[in-house]
Amino acid sequence: RKEVEQDPGPFNVPEGATVAFNCTYSNSASQSFFWYRQDCRKEPKLLMSVYSSGNEDGRFTAQLNRASQYISLLIRDSKLSDSATYLCVVNSYTGGFKTIFGAGTRLFVKA
Amino acid sequence: DTGVSQDPRHKITKRGQNVTFRCDPISEHNRLYWYRQTLGQGPEFLTYFQNEAQLEKSRLLSDRFSAERPKGSFSTLEIQRTEQGDSAMYLCASSLPEKNTGELFFGEGSRLTVL
Repeated sequence: RKEVEQDPGPFNVPEGATVAFNCTYSNSASQSFFWYRQDCRKEPKLLMSVYSSGNEDGRFTAQLNRASQYISLLIRDSKLSDSATYLCVVNSYTGGFKTIFGAGTRLFVKA
Repeated sequence: DTGVSQDPRHKITKRGQNVTFRCDPISEHNRLYWYRQTLGQGPEFLTYFQNEAQLEKSRLLSDRFSAERPKGSFSTLEIQRTEQGDSAMYLCASSLPEKNTGELFFGEGSRLTVL
């Protein structure tokens, strides 16, 4: 089982749609969680951190469920510029520190 | 530009040759990470340094891979006796854990093609 698993995608949605990405992680001792965005042929960049209490940044909402080892990202009113790959990221400190990325979910937003 | 820089950006080599990549992190960042990324996959963790100490290297792909950060500033990743399967983007990132944001700042990567 992969340490971090994401919806395989790609997601093709029209502008204005709401889209949700899911992610699960295997290490119950994982301590911090993030969503990164990666544009085609570019480096990953932090989109937002994820907390159990949930956090929102404009059209983006991230949620963590520690009991289910599940992370989500919701994008409302999607824009063409949201087209990218969204990477789920988990920090684990057991057996040494590691920052593990999921394989990513590709999003295409169409006009 | 005070971001993470990597060199070279592109490297084409023949199978069996050695290659070395360099990463210069953001100057005040004490953590430095190396990742490998292949098409359609997320970055794969290889190793990381806290200052000059290499604290995690069990994920290095084979004994042909080695990394150094001798003075706690720039780092090098060396691949010996390259194989075609080593073709990938090698990403370097840095962070300052004391800021407690957990954010990694990535360079633009070094793309390796092994012929």
